[in-house]
Amino acid sequence: NAGVMQNPRHLVRRRGQEARLRCSPMKGHSHVYWYRQLPEEGLKFMVYLQKENIIDESGMPKERFSAEFPKEGPSILRIQQVVRGDSAAYFCASSLNRDSQPQHFGDGTRLSIL
Amino acid sequence: LAKTTQPISMDSYEGQEVNITCSHNNIATNDYITWYQQFPSQGPRFIIQGYKTKVTNEVASLFIPADRKSSTLSLPRVSLSDTAVYYCLVGPITSGTYKYIFGTGTRLKVLA
Repeated sequence: NAGVMQNPRHLVRRRGQEARLRCSPMKGHSHVYWYRQLPEEGLKFMVYLQKENIIDESGMPKERFSAEFPKEGPSILRIQQVVRGDSAAYFCASSLNRDSQPQHFGDGTRLSIL
Repeated sequence: LAKTTQPISMDSYEGQEVNITCSHNNIATNDYITWYQQFPSQGPRFIIQGYKTKVTNEVASLFIPADRKSSTLSLPRVSLSDTAVYYCLVGPITSGTYKYIFGTGTRLKVLA
C-alpha cells in the first residue's frame, strides 16, 4: 500500500478521551475516503472529502465523529469522547479524482479503547 | 451498488490454481467488477478490475461470463503468501461510486 500513509498505526485511548487519526493521500491525490472495519467484517464507508470540503459524510455517525481535509496537511478523522464500540481499524483511501478507480488504501490505524 | 456473494472461506495448497467465484445477480449495465486482497493488519490492495470476458495482469485473471451475473478470480500457482481475504466489489466507474461496499470476503488459506 505504498503511497497512502496513515498514523499512528496503533492508538490506545481511554473512554472519554479524543482520538485523532491522520491520513496523507498518495502524491497528487486530492480525494480522500475513510472506512471503518470491525473484526471479521468488511470495510464500511464513513466519509468522502476533497481538499477543504466534505462531499459525503453519510456513513459517519452524527455525534462525536468529524473529519477534515485542510488545504495543507493530512486529512484528520477525529473521534471525541471515545467509547468501547469505537474500537476498530480505520482505513483511509485516496484517488486522483472522484471518478478514478481504484481507490488506494493505507494500512490503517487500529484504535483500541480501554 | 450491486450486492455480491462469495464463499466465506477456501483452502488450497501451494502451487495450485485457486478460483474464487463471486455472484452478482443484479449487476447493472454500467457496473464493473473489482477485486481487492487484504492481508492481516494491512489495507485492501487492488488486484484486478474488469467489465466482461477475460482480464489478465501479472498477478491474476478475471473471468466474466456473457451474462455477467458472476465472476471468477483466478490465482495461478498460489504460495503461502497468498493467504489473505479477497473481496469482490461491483459498481459503476462513474461519479458516485466512491462508497465501496465490502462484504465479508473470502478467506483463502494456502497450506504447505
